[in-house]
Amino acid sequence: QLQLQESGPGLVKPSEALSLSCTVSGGSISRSSYYWAWVRHAPGEGLEWIGSVYYSGKTYYNPSLKSRVTISVATSKTQFSLRLTSVTAADTAMYYCARHMSSVSLYYFDYWGHGTLVTVSS
Amino acid sequence: SYVLTQPPSVSVAPGKTASITCGGNQIGDKSVHWYQQKSGQAPVLVIHYDSDRPSAIPERFSGSNSGNTATLTITRVEAGDEADYYCQVWDDSRDQVIFGGGTKLTVL
Repeated sequence: QLQLQESGPGLVKPSEALSLSCTVSGGSISRSSYYWAWVRHAPGEGLEWIGSVYYSGKTYYNPSLKSRVTISVATSKTQFSLRLTSVTAADTAMYYCARHMSSVSLYYFDYWGHGTLVTVSS
Repeated sequence: SYVLTQPPSVSVAPGKTASITCGGNQIGDKSVHWYQQKSGQAPVLVIHYDSDRPSAIPERFSGSNSGNTATLTITRVEAGDEADYYCQVWDDSRDQVIFGGGTKLTVL
């Protein structure tokens, strides 16, 4: 059974960078047909896609966050990561990693981590 | 950019049928996916490719998509179905994921 687990600091200071990792177990990041994604859920808001990465390194990003976001696959191919720079209070959210189904296009998220809460505060 | 519009809330009595809509320009030309998110939990995929159900999802959940509206239908609603529901598409024109704003389903 595929499992995803987020990890990283729960508190980040304004203007600093947020860095999270997602560890994938029970399956390989290197399988074709899947991208690996980050989605966040701010308090009182809806779901927001941050971006998705293929094992080759190819990425798609949310245009509204693109200038601040980097998503990458670790050389171990068992983890992928999120880096979000210049954070503000608006970046406070539950951050989820997920598997993103793809073939001709990109489609749905079928496996999700439990999420990790990141608070931006001094 | 592409916009998906959902009603903020839907209420239904137990045992009845709930319909949650997701409006978008020519959404019938896109593949629509639906997620259930219960309070304090990660989202769960309940419908993909407009109307396909993952194996763990009860048959009470179904989906349709035509024209400018996609619909998630839940029959014989139970108290445990109370959650936020989100529709989602891939916007090919801008290569990005779009989520609807979410609908809170309340079971009366």
